[in-house]
Amino acid sequence: NAGVMQNPRHLVRRRGQEARLRCSPMKGHSHVYWYRQLPEEGLKFMVYLQKENIIDESGMPKERFSAEFPKEGPSILRIQQVVRGDSAAYFCASSHPDASGLSPTSTINYGYTFGSGTRLTVV
Amino acid sequence: AQSVTQLDSQVPVFEEAPVELRCNYSSSVSVYLFWYVQYPNQGLQLLLKYLSGSTLVESINGFEAEFNKSQTSFHLRKPSVHISDTAEYFCAVSVLSGTYKYIFGTGTRLKVLA
Repeated sequence: NAGVMQNPRHLVRRRGQEARLRCSPMKGHSHVYWYRQLPEEGLKFMVYLQKENIIDESGMPKERFSAEFPKEGPSILRIQQVVRGDSAAYFCASSHPDASGLSPTSTINYGYTFGSGTRLTVV
Repeated sequence: AQSVTQLDSQVPVFEEAPVELRCNYSSSVSVYLFWYVQYPNQGLQLLLKYLSGSTLVESINGFEAEFNKSQTSFHLRKPSVHISDTAEYFCAVSVLSGTYKYIFGTGTRLKVLA
């Protein structure tokens, strides 16, 4: 079991370019979560996705950020026209699906499995 | 809204000495509590969690944490640390009312010295 795979590990972009961060969940996991860690801050929730569905994007900035989790392939977090303030570590996590849907304890009981993160630097 | 405070950004400690990493939270509703550990160049791993029941929870590698509702704390302790415990430790909470969102603290970097 390879765990949650994120790539690239490090990404450098110039201001105005696009950044694409990829996340492959653990085998058997169909729920994906993206978190962002700004310098000197804790991880902050961004978005929760299931296959082909965005369940909760309440933590996503309103502009320039988007996320998808297609039927095939990894989840993608896309940041368009990056700015210096986007420099951060972006972590992806996955969890086991719960047969009964969004049970309050399902994800909690299993816990997340996090990837190693992508460190984005905007120059 | 919930928040998590980890007052110590860095904690140096000698090998075989005890350590306590502090975590305080604020919430107007009941929460679940977690400690995650991030070893160098790796992702976060769940270390232990408090959901209900006994307020003292333990991990397989000797860490323990005690939920103190009156002090709204969930401090992490280990009686004797090893060099291999060097890592960043994150405290997190999640509300009981059906959510998957963690609120993380800013992390405490534990450095075990030989």
